[in-house]
Amino acid sequence: QKEVEQDPGPLSVPEGAIVSLNCTYSNSAFQYFMWYRQYSRKGPELLMYTYSSGNKEDGRFTAQVDKSSKYISLFIRDSQPSDSATYLCAMSSNSGGSNYKLTFGKGTLLTVNP
Amino acid sequence: ETGVTQSPTHLIKTRGQQVTLRCSSQSGHNTVSWYQQALGQGPQFIFQYYREEENGRGNFPPRFSGLQFPNYSSELNVNALELDDSALYLCASSPLGGLSSYEQYFGPGTRLTVT
Repeated sequence: QKEVEQDPGPLSVPEGAIVSLNCTYSNSAFQYFMWYRQYSRKGPELLMYTYSSGNKEDGRFTAQVDKSSKYISLFIRDSQPSDSATYLCAMSSNSGGSNYKLTFGKGTLLTVNP
Repeated sequence: ETGVTQSPTHLIKTRGQQVTLRCSSQSGHNTVSWYQQALGQGPQFIFQYYREEENGRGNFPPRFSGLQFPNYSSELNVNALELDDSALYLCASSPLGGLSSYEQYFGPGTRLTVT
């Protein structure tokens, strides 16, 4: 079993839709949870990060972490064609000095159609 | 504020050759991590450098090595290139060593093709 599982999609939605992206994980030591956006042939761009469980909102983006279910989500409201990209979840732990490494999902390819 | 920069953008090498990739960290960041991203996959952690020392390593063989310089820039060296080394190599910098190294900002990457 991989440490982080993410449905690669592809996911195609109409402009204005609410998008839900999800990851599950198996390592209970993960405490830091990140979402990155990666446009084609570019480096990943940090969108949001959260520590432990709970919600965090930033504009049209909301990140949720449910540590009891080992499940994280990213919601995009009022999606725009410019949101079309691959979304990567990433996680890190802070135990035993191992907080240096990000473990990524495979990424979900999102297309928002005008 | 200048972001993370990497050079070269693209590189084509032959199996068995050696390659050096370069990274300049974001201003104020003193920790650099390297990742390998194969096509259709998420990035895989190679290693991290903090204060010019290797601060953790992923599941990569010793022919992957690195350096960090006093100005926090970094190099990734790969010896005896194999076809499977073809990938996007990403450098990420962090504002602090240790506790905040989860907050990593990525450069545009170097696309390496091994033929």
